[in-house]
Amino acid sequence: AQSVTQLDSQVPVFEEAPVELRCNYSSSVSVYLFWYVQYPNQGLQLLLKYLSGSTLVKSINGFEAEFNKSQTSFHLRKPSVHISDTAEYFCAVHYNTDKLIFGTGTRLQVFP
Amino acid sequence: EAGVTQFPSHSVIEKGQTVTLRCDPISGHDNLYWYRRVMGKEIKFLLHFVKESKQDESGMPNNRFLAERTGGTYSTLKVQPAELEDSGVYFCASSRWTGEVLNTEAFFGQGTRLTVV
Repeated sequence: AQSVTQLDSQVPVFEEAPVELRCNYSSSVSVYLFWYVQYPNQGLQLLLKYLSGSTLVKSINGFEAEFNKSQTSFHLRKPSVHISDTAEYFCAVHYNTDKLIFGTGTRLQVFP
Repeated sequence: EAGVTQFPSHSVIEKGQTVTLRCDPISGHDNLYWYRRVMGKEIKFLLHFVKESKQDESGMPNNRFLAERTGGTYSTLKVQPAELEDSGVYFCASSRWTGEVLNTEAFFGQGTRLTVV
């Protein structure tokens, strides 16, 4: 079955520290990968996506993710987090269908 | 441009009652999706409309759930009768139809938090 795994349900980190949120997906011939973010009291917003081309994709607020086909991973990283990055982050995958398969989410808590 | 709007934001109902959730997609978006997140678990796909037609309803849990999109604009999701396990956050998303398997970005609403007691 097609699935997405986010092993870390919560990640606490101090401001300005680096962070990595892990995402692994079940293998498939072709996949499209996404990270969504949900800030408190808001809807899901697309943070970044990989469709093809360069395996390293970046968001406008300093996050980046690398598609690793051999590891079937799409980990999200930021070298220095800010208080405003506190949110829940969801990894999602398109398996050549028109629906997204989501992971269980990782709650990032940034402390001052 | 208004985003995807969902109403109500919260709903608390008793087991056995009926609840109707509404989603207004972004104007011009033919694709409309419903997803649900049960507490602590992943966000799961429920169904997909293209205009007023159900493209994929493979994620609908059972026949207590009825989704409609009359006229291809807003959509409603009715749960009748509601059970305790129906509690969760119901998300709606919309996107443009491009004719390809992978459509453009899906925009999500804030969700409706449903609590069945």
